[in-house]
Amino acid sequence: EAAVTQSPRNKVTVTGGNVTLSCRQTNSHNYMYWYRQDTGHGLRLIHYSYGAGNLQIGDVPDGYKATRTTQEDFFLLLELASPSQTSLYFCASTAGGWAETLYFGSGTRLTVL
Amino acid sequence: SQLAEENLWALSVHEGESVTVNCSYKTSITALQWYRQKSGEGPAQLILIRSNEREKRNGRLRATLDTSSQSSSLSITATRCEDTAVYFCATAASSGSWQLIFGSGTQLTVMP
Repeated sequence: EAAVTQSPRNKVTVTGGNVTLSCRQTNSHNYMYWYRQDTGHGLRLIHYSYGAGNLQIGDVPDGYKATRTTQEDFFLLLELASPSQTSLYFCASTAGGWAETLYFGSGTRLTVL
Repeated sequence: SQLAEENLWALSVHEGESVTVNCSYKTSITALQWYRQKSGEGPAQLILIRSNEREKRNGRLRATLDTSSQSSSLSITATRCEDTAVYFCATAASSGSWQLIFGSGTQLTVMP
């Protein structure tokens, strides 16, 4: 069973705060993704990566940075958090790209006050 | 604008009944996936149907794909309360670069 683990599960920060969301997959997958989920918008792609050291920009990248340090680990960084970034964040991985099954983590709920 | 979209925000049925969730999309695709997301969990894939396939089954689930009308349906037979979830379609399409585009989802509630 493919495994994607996100941490923390919940995070509260203040406007201007610095936040790092972590994701680790043990599936030996090359592709990893960060999505945000908001009511009425579904899942929107923030950043994604083809492998360690690689980073690609998604549909809603403004205000976010990401880093893929190893094949297993993908981080999402909010360096100056804003209330508009309050959302539910999901990490996912896949073996072969867009037309293959995505395996999602359980999500991180971020609140920016 | 969304390139993939479920046709209804919400559906409710009684346990044991059948239900169909529909999805339409706006561009040529290589594959369409159906995902289910239960409360407090991440989405989980139910079915992946490729553009050269017309139907795919997975237990009580049946997905169809009509590339001429750019639409798909997911049918669930003999529904159970644990089928209560949000159902998404997602299309693998080329819009400049390849992406997996998710619809906004249909909330299905199965009542006892």
